[in-house]
Amino acid sequence: EAQVTQNPRYLITVTGKKLTVTCSQNMNHEYMSWYRQDPGLGLRQIYYSMNVEVTDKGDVPEGYKVSRKEKRNFPLILESPSPNQTSLYFCASSPSRGDSPLHFGNGTRLTVT
Amino acid sequence: AQKITQTQPGMFVQEKEAVTLDCTYDTSDPSYGLFWYKQPSSGEMIFLIYQGSYDQQNATEGRYSLNFQKARKSANLVISASQLGDSAMYFCAMRGGLYNFNKFYFGSGTKLNVKP
Repeated sequence: EAQVTQNPRYLITVTGKKLTVTCSQNMNHEYMSWYRQDPGLGLRQIYYSMNVEVTDKGDVPEGYKVSRKEKRNFPLILESPSPNQTSLYFCASSPSRGDSPLHFGNGTRLTVT
Repeated sequence: AQKITQTQPGMFVQEKEAVTLDCTYDTSDPSYGLFWYKQPSSGEMIFLIYQGSYDQQNATEGRYSLNFQKARKSANLVISASQLGDSAMYFCAMRGGLYNFNKFYFGSGTKLNVKP
């Protein structure tokens, strides 16, 4: 089954404790990206990657890191999480075509205390 | 600046009636793509419909159609014959073209409630 898999689904952590949210897709998509969803703000793009070893900032990259060492994987790293990073996070992928929709993972609900 | 605006935080519609969800956008890109997604209470994001900026005809997918008015920069989603299962959050999104191809922009969403 074609899918984007995110783990974990739920994560509660404390301020400053490094964490990684994994994302993997099995559709051989070139493009992958991360979003955070906050009430009243919709989804905002954090980082994106056009292909292996090619990443760039979205609209809200502060406090996040990413890497794309393999085509299928695009982990999101929070090196020192803070409470304002409490949010619902989505990973998504698509072919590199303008008319291609994003395929989303099921989301990761992160709480930083 | 690229921006998507959804001005209806919440809407109610009677089952079997049609409903229009508003979306306006702002972009300096000469080409772009517009998307609508549905997010049920379970949280997943479901792609509904796509409209390219150069498409001459409005997109349709089953009960979903997109009322695209390029001069007004609007891309409203029309759901015909609403069903209880249409109750969800709906997001309008834009992918940039020539200058912002790698960027996706989302509106703040509209929560639709379908009444029996």
